[in-house]
Amino acid sequence: DSGVTQTPKHLITATGQRVTLRCSPRSGDLSVYWYQQSLDQGLQFLIQYYNGEERAKGNILERFSAQQFPDLHSELNLSSLELGDSALYFCASSVEGVWGPQETQYFGPGTRLLVL
Amino acid sequence: AQTVTQSQPEMSVQEAETVTLSCTYDTSESNYYLFWYKQPPSRQMILVIRQEAYKQQNATENRFSVNFQKAAKSFSLKISDSQLGDTAMYFCAFDNNNDMRFGAGTRLTVKP
Repeated sequence: DSGVTQTPKHLITATGQRVTLRCSPRSGDLSVYWYQQSLDQGLQFLIQYYNGEERAKGNILERFSAQQFPDLHSELNLSSLELGDSALYFCASSVEGVWGPQETQYFGPGTRLLVL
Repeated sequence: AQTVTQSQPEMSVQEAETVTLSCTYDTSESNYYLFWYKQPPSRQMILVIRQEAYKQQNATENRFSVNFQKAAKSFSLKISDSQLGDTAMYFCAFDNNNDMRFGAGTRLTVKP
């Protein structure tokens, strides 16, 4: 158990809908990362937050957005869902969220999204 | 529960030399997939190599190869002729029926 929690574990919805995925980082970690793992692609970095502020942005679609709250939990919002958005969404956390020594990311169990 | 352990938080290697990153996992399943991902400072996750548990032959991708020991539940990554661009965080991952688990990562630094 990494200490990172994600809810829900599974989510089934229809095209055009909007969903929110939630992540709670490990105690003491200030940075949160979101990744998408789809069947035909590897793990794609979406976005990173540090202490409530966006720090890095990857291949995140405009239909997707995220935020990190004062209590450091984060939410990933996916809107106007398409069939191709079906994937496993991971959250990870780390202490400082910087590229440097001893910076380890701890991954949550993921949320499996199925868009029908 | 399935777990993935990377016991080396940090490693370094001289350019052009060979380095091996360790990964062990725990599972009761017989069929699964194992992955090594590379994450450079850009934060993008790059799939380095993938191994299917039912295949006995070790996977190889150019300078990257694995030593898959199913009985020992070990999946190490060997990088030959290390290059400066190999400097990154490396994650070992286990996937069984889309239940994916990641190791904590190993930070590799290639020195000139």
